[in-house]
Parts: sequence; structure tokens; C-alpha cells
Amino acid sequence: EVQLVESGGGLVQPGGSLRLSCAASGFTFRNYWMTWVRQAPGKGLEWVANIKQDESEKYYVDSVRGRFTVSRDNAKNSLYLQMNSLRVEDTAVYYCARSGLRWDHTEDSWGQGTLVTVSS
Amino acid sequence: DIQMTQSPSSLSASVGDRVTITCRASQGIRNYLAWYQQKPGKVPKLLVLGASTLQAGVPSRFSGSGSGTDFTLTVSSLQPEDVATYYCQRYNSAPWTFGQGTKVEIK
Repeated sequence: EVQLVESGGGLVQPGGSLRLSCAASGFTFRNYWMTWVRQAPGKGLEWVANIKQDESEKYYVDSVRGRFTVSRDNAKNSLYLQMNSLRVEDTAVYYCARSGLRWDHTEDSWGQGTLVTVSS
Repeated sequence: DIQMTQSPSSLSASVGDRVTITCRASQGIRNYLAWYQQKPGKVPKLLVLGASTLQAGVPSRFSGSGSGTDFTLTVSSLQPEDVATYYCQRYNSAPWTFGQGTKVEIK
């Protein structure tokens, strides 16, 4: 069974940093593209970033590019999201999701999410 | 970026009704379209990928169709457990984008 468990969320002041982690199990992590998706309170889903199996390709939504960095450690079956220069509008539940073996695949398994609150 | 527009934003229907949600892309995306269901307080669940391929375990009352710019998700006979918000998502090129969601309620 695919399991994705996010951690690292919390309360941070505007301008601060936070690093999210996602521990994967139940599948061969190194074979899959991985993705971060977020959802602001009471709002819709927003795709944030994804990363290729070997980290050779990474993509970001415009609103986080230059501030967020996605990375992974295939030896540890873990996905990360380093978030810098956080803004109030980054407040959301952040989901880790498994994509596909190729780039052109949507997300078929999601974690439970971790809440990030940016507030002074 | 390619924008995804869903309609309606919300709907109320009776149990057993046929329900259709539409999603329009601002440019052609071939069939790189997925549909998700998110029940209140729950994690999104993939229903349909490739515009029309039902994910394993999804009830057959759900179906997806379309290609290019216009897509639909149909629930052939609405059930109480289908109360949720439904999102379309394109994944033809980065960044992927979601529609704004359609909230489905029981009348």
C-alpha cells in the first residue's frame, strides 16, 4: 500500500523559512516523479512543484519559483520542500503526492498533508 | 500558463440524478486531463486520468470524456456519498493547473 507522510509544517513569521518532508513507503520511490500540491484554507487546490526521479528536472508554479526548492533523497525514500521568504499567502495545507514513471502523469496517491501557517 | 475553467461552481441535485461538470482549457491539452474528488475534510482522490480512464476502484457511475479544450465529468446516478468538491487538472506541461472546483450537494 502506498503511504506518504508529510511533516515539518507549523507557524512561521512572514519572511521566514520552513522545510517540509515527505516519507514514502509501499512503492519503489526512486522510480517515480513526485509532486507538492497545496490548499489554502477554504480554497481550491494549487499545484506547487514536481521533481524527476534523478532530480535532473524540477518545475515550479510562478508564485513560488525562486523561493521554494524541491528535492529528494532516493536512499531515504524522502521528498522535501524548502520554503524561504514565506508570505502570508503561502498559508496552506501542503500535500506530497506520487506522480508517474514519466513526466506526463497526474498524481495518483496523496499524503494527509501538513499545515503551514505564515503569520506575525 | 494554460488556465482551466470549471462550471458550474456549485450544484445541487437529487439522489439518482445525472450530474455533469464541465472543464474548459484556455489552450488545447490533448487528453492530459484528470478529475479529482475531495470530500469535506479529506484528501483529494483521483477519479479519472487521460480524460476518460477511470482509476482503479472508482465506481462505474463516474465517467470522463473530452479532448483538446473541452472536458466533462459525469455521474450517471448521484449517490449521497458523492457529496464533494470536484476538480479538473491539466498535466500536459508544467506547471500543472487545477480548475477552481465544483461543489456538489444533495438536494
